[in-house]
Amino acid sequence: NAGVTQTPKFQVLKTGQSMTLQCAQDMNHEYMSWYRQDPGMGLRLIHYSVGAGITDQGEVPNGYNVSRSTTEDFPLRLLSAAPSQTSVYFCASSYSGTAEKLFFGSGTQLSVL
Amino acid sequence: KQEVTQIPAALSVPEGENLVLNCSFTDSAIYNLQWFRQDPGKGLTSLLLIQSSQREQTSGRLNASLDKSSGRSTLYIAASQPGDSATYLCAGPQGGSEKLVFGKGTKLTVNP
Repeated sequence: NAGVTQTPKFQVLKTGQSMTLQCAQDMNHEYMSWYRQDPGMGLRLIHYSVGAGITDQGEVPNGYNVSRSTTEDFPLRLLSAAPSQTSVYFCASSYSGTAEKLFFGSGTQLSVL
Repeated sequence: KQEVTQIPAALSVPEGENLVLNCSFTDSAIYNLQWFRQDPGKGLTSLLLIQSSQREQTSGRLNASLDKSSGRSTLYIAASQPGDSATYLCAGPQGGSEKLVFGKGTKLTVNP
């Protein structure tokens, strides 16, 4: 099993560009989530999903879109990148929710110039 | 709103020492708490998940406890080793939601 796979590992964008961060898991997990990690701010929840077709906002959802069309995939879309979105992004999944062990991907380092 | 605090932000100890990392939370209705380890440039790895009914969980040299009444959890590391050097984070759910709230972590350095 690969676990939680995030692509790309590194990305540089110009302000205003759009892109999609990919996240896939092969553990048949219903719960998937996206976090950003910034120095001094810790990990903050962006969006999460409790199953295919169901998504909800976390603490810092502005500027990000998600969809969950399959159990395996949970892409994060930046519609118009801003320098404030420079961060390390982590995808995480668990079997059914926050009451279960959470598995993390290795992260995407995003820089917006 | 759930707030999770970890103090101290950094800790340096000599090899072999037993140590305790602290995590406090504001919502006493918490039904579980999870401890993670993060190595530099890596994702997080779940170490221990404690359900509110369990109060304690053990894995090897690690022992985590959960006291809802005081709003505290502790991670005990026995006989620390240089390989234990990492940042340790705790996280708990917000209210009755599926939103997980993280502390900012304690950076542990174990000196040989």
